[in-house]
Amino acid sequence: DADVTQTPRNRITKTGKRIMLECSQTKGHDRMYWYRQDPGLGLQLIYYSFDVKDINKGEISDGYSVSRQAQAKFSLSLESAIPNQTALYFCATSDLTSGTNEQFFGPGTRLTVL
Amino acid sequence: RKEVEQDPGPFNVPEGATVAFNCTYSNSASQSFFWYRQDCRKEPKLLMSVYSSGNEDGRFTAQLNRASQYISLLIRDSKLSDSATYLCVVKSGATNKLIFGTGTLLAVQP
Repeated sequence: DADVTQTPRNRITKTGKRIMLECSQTKGHDRMYWYRQDPGLGLQLIYYSFDVKDINKGEISDGYSVSRQAQAKFSLSLESAIPNQTALYFCATSDLTSGTNEQFFGPGTRLTVL
Repeated sequence: RKEVEQDPGPFNVPEGATVAFNCTYSNSASQSFFWYRQDCRKEPKLLMSVYSSGNEDGRFTAQLNRASQYISLLIRDSKLSDSATYLCVVKSGATNKLIFGTGTLLAVQP
């Protein structure tokens, strides 16, 4: 079983709709992240969380919100989706105590906003 | 200027070739350095960390030059399975936030 899972894997929606992307992990890591990936731009950090109810903005948080109600879950919401939020979204986790700084990524959610 | 810059490629090489990727970073306070690999439509995965003294893992060698703010990845004896995008990644400050380059696409040809 995958250690970091994301749902849905693919989603097509319309402009103005509210969308929630879910991320779950069984790794027991304290830190979780949401990124988006666009062609030619690389991965950009949206939000990150170092513990339950800890929320921090990343580089591109406008238009997004997150919730961390449990250690294993970190959800990303688009309150009113717009076409330029069409992208591949990745959730990632890391362990503060590991000392390696390695982040483990989920399989991604491909979101299309029409 | 992007904080981490890479040549996007693509690098098209025959099997068995040696190929090198370069990366530069702008923040001199960067603390940790990595190469991640991303297969098409898949998630990034850590390939190797990059240490100041240089490090090797099988056919892969990573080098760091802090003075020039430059990181490299050398792949020897390329395999078809090495075809992927290689992401240069830098950790800035003490927050464990990673800054990703846009990636270099490698295509190993039979």
